[in-house]
Amino acid sequence: QSVLTQPPSVSGAPGQRVTISCTGSSSNTGAGYDVHWYQQLPGAAPKLLIYDNYRRPSGVPDRFSGSESGTSASLAITGLQTEDEADYYCQSYDSSLRRWVFGGGTKLTVL
Amino acid sequence: EVQLVESGGGLVQPGRSLRLSCAASGFTFGHFAMHWVRQVPGKGLEWVSGISWNGGEIEYADSVKGRLTISRDNAKNSLYLQMNSLRAEDTAFYYCAKGPRFYSHTSSFDNWGQGTLVTVSS
Repeated sequence: QSVLTQPPSVSGAPGQRVTISCTGSSSNTGAGYDVHWYQQLPGAAPKLLIYDNYRRPSGVPDRFSGSESGTSASLAITGLQTEDEADYYCQSYDSSLRRWVFGGGTKLTVL
Repeated sequence: EVQLVESGGGLVQPGRSLRLSCAASGFTFGHFAMHWVRQVPGKGLEWVSGISWNGGEIEYADSVKGRLTISRDNAKNSLYLQMNSLRAEDTAFYYCAKGPRFYSHTSSFDNWGQGTLVTVSS
């Protein structure tokens, strides 16, 4: 069981908007540690998608956005494209466990 | 362009050792924190270990403490993971990942290698 909780799967049609939630606790996301998001395409390494809750690295389309509130964070993807099919992971740090922690991952299916 | 290339994975028997390497290029390696993250095939991501730019700060996940040792050679632009007393549950893809200049618990991993597979089995 992951320290950060994500839905196992989400789906949407091309062009639609989906959101992926990431719920933590008072020792990680609720303690002020930033949330970061990664995209892992099939057979590839993870790639940083969103850092520091809402910032986008250079080259990441503005269709991807992040937000956070309290102990939760969200990744939103608008204008879904077939190439967005991937696993998405949130990540933060946990002060009680004293380690970086990940969510269990969410598989996005573009119908 | 940042490049991280892992090597050293393979099939190893339980209780034996293995040393992973990560060759870095495209950035000033000695200025950045580095990490190892692993992923059991088909499963999620698990942070394993992190090291500051000069090795002054080193941390491990409890699951590997005392068995895995992270190190770096800034002159060779290389990161290492010495893996001893390997167990079946250590079977995973091992990724090296770049951190920020300052070793920080709020940091993300902004570049990843392609990973190297370690299989622990008799």
